[in-house]
Amino acid sequence: SQTIHQWPATLVQPVGSPLSLECTVEGTSNPNLYWYRQAAGRGLQLLFYSVGIGQISSEVPQNLSASRPQDRQFILSSKKLLLSDSGFYLCAWSPGTNEQFFGPGTRLTVL
Amino acid sequence: AQSVTQLGSHVSVSEGALVLLRCNYSSSVPPYLFWYVQYPNQGLQLLLKYTTGATLVKGINGFEAEFKKSETSFHLTKPSAHMSDAAEYFCAVTLRMDSSYKLIFGSGTRLLVRP
Repeated sequence: SQTIHQWPATLVQPVGSPLSLECTVEGTSNPNLYWYRQAAGRGLQLLFYSVGIGQISSEVPQNLSASRPQDRQFILSSKKLLLSDSGFYLCAWSPGTNEQFFGPGTRLTVL
Repeated sequence: AQSVTQLGSHVSVSEGALVLLRCNYSSSVPPYLFWYVQYPNQGLQLLLKYTTGATLVKGINGFEAEFKKSETSFHLTKPSAHMSDAAEYFCAVTLRMDSSYKLIFGSGTRLLVRP
């Protein structure tokens, strides 16, 4: 069966520091991968999605970036964090259908 | 353009009472609709989905939803609430992109269950 992992589970970072969040999927190949952000009291906002290695589409202009160095690995990065980057970051995967399966999330607090 | 509106950011019910969470959508094409549940500090879990066919969809944990095209609604119901149902619920509609699908979420409804 398929499993999706995210780490770290929680992270506290100072403003201006770099960020790297990792997402990996097991038990499937060539998945579509997604990064969402959930701000406090708000719904989910799609940040990036990828349909293959090295293929990244950005939904929202911001100081975040994403990369997909391997088929089942999706990384969310920032060179300099802002206070507004705080939130709950969710990775999801899809077999190419309309259904998405979510990871456990990473709680990021920027101070 | 596709969009989702969830009426009521918070809904409070007594244990054993009917649960009704409202979702209305806007879509220029036949929609695929989803309900997800999120427990505190966890990811989203799929409750149920509507793609085509039967308009009454049954999901996990006793939840069901009915697709009503004339009302552009996809409300989530459960006959009898349990304390374990307390969570945040998200309605979503699918948007087809070039070679992928995008989920457009509502802002969520937090369900509180009173003993």
